[in-house]
Amino acid sequence: DIQMTQSPSSVSASVGDRVTITCRASQGISSWLAWYQQKPGKAPKLLIYAASSLQSGVPSRFSGSGSGTDFTLTISSLQPEDFATYYCQQANSFTFGQGTRLEIK
Amino acid sequence: QVQLVQSGAEVKKPGASVKVSCKASGYTFTGYYMHWVRQAPGQGLEWMGRINPNSGGTNYAQKFQGRVTMTRDTSISTAYMELSRLRSDDTAVYYCARDLYDFWSGYTAEYFQHWGQGTLVTVSS
Repeated sequence: DIQMTQSPSSVSASVGDRVTITCRASQGISSWLAWYQQKPGKAPKLLIYAASSLQSGVPSRFSGSGSGTDFTLTISSLQPEDFATYYCQQANSFTFGQGTRLEIK
Repeated sequence: QVQLVQSGAEVKKPGASVKVSCKASGYTFTGYYMHWVRQAPGQGLEWMGRINPNSGGTNYAQKFQGRVTMTRDTSISTAYMELSRLRSDDTAVYYCARDLYDFWSGYTAEYFQHWGQGTLVTVSS
């Protein structure tokens, strides 16, 4: 089974900061990767699919990159509503990363 | 607009079964895979399996093989997930989620665009 490992597990940042979250696959997965945002008590929300495609309605400050085994989610300028937990997911076997909690510094 | 509305919270005893429903509206129910994902309290997301509402064909995560059954009723655009032989560590919020791409798009990758609101299943003696 393909394992997905995110880093860091948690990160503290301030409004306006640039934040990058990393996801590594245990074997190559081409560009078959998604990023989701989840806020407490809510269902996850699709942000990025196919590693770098922005889902409709998602602000352009979110971007994704990578292929093969190494992927990143970048938030260019943090807004108050961005503080949440972020998950990567492999889009073939559907394995999720363990999540990255983004907290206010 | 696409909506996935799940059934309400359940409390079950260990060893019992639970059946969660997910009623779809706003799109062609038989045109997209429906997935089930769960999240234990304070934990991450865990994929359980998927159903093809058109054929009824299913794929389950190995962890749940033999305990989970996914079905659908196309007449009422509803998918179901039944989990048997419940244990305390099955306490979780269970979500249904619909694919981004329909079956005719030609894409094989599956991304979860629409989600239900979640159903809390509590397993306790």
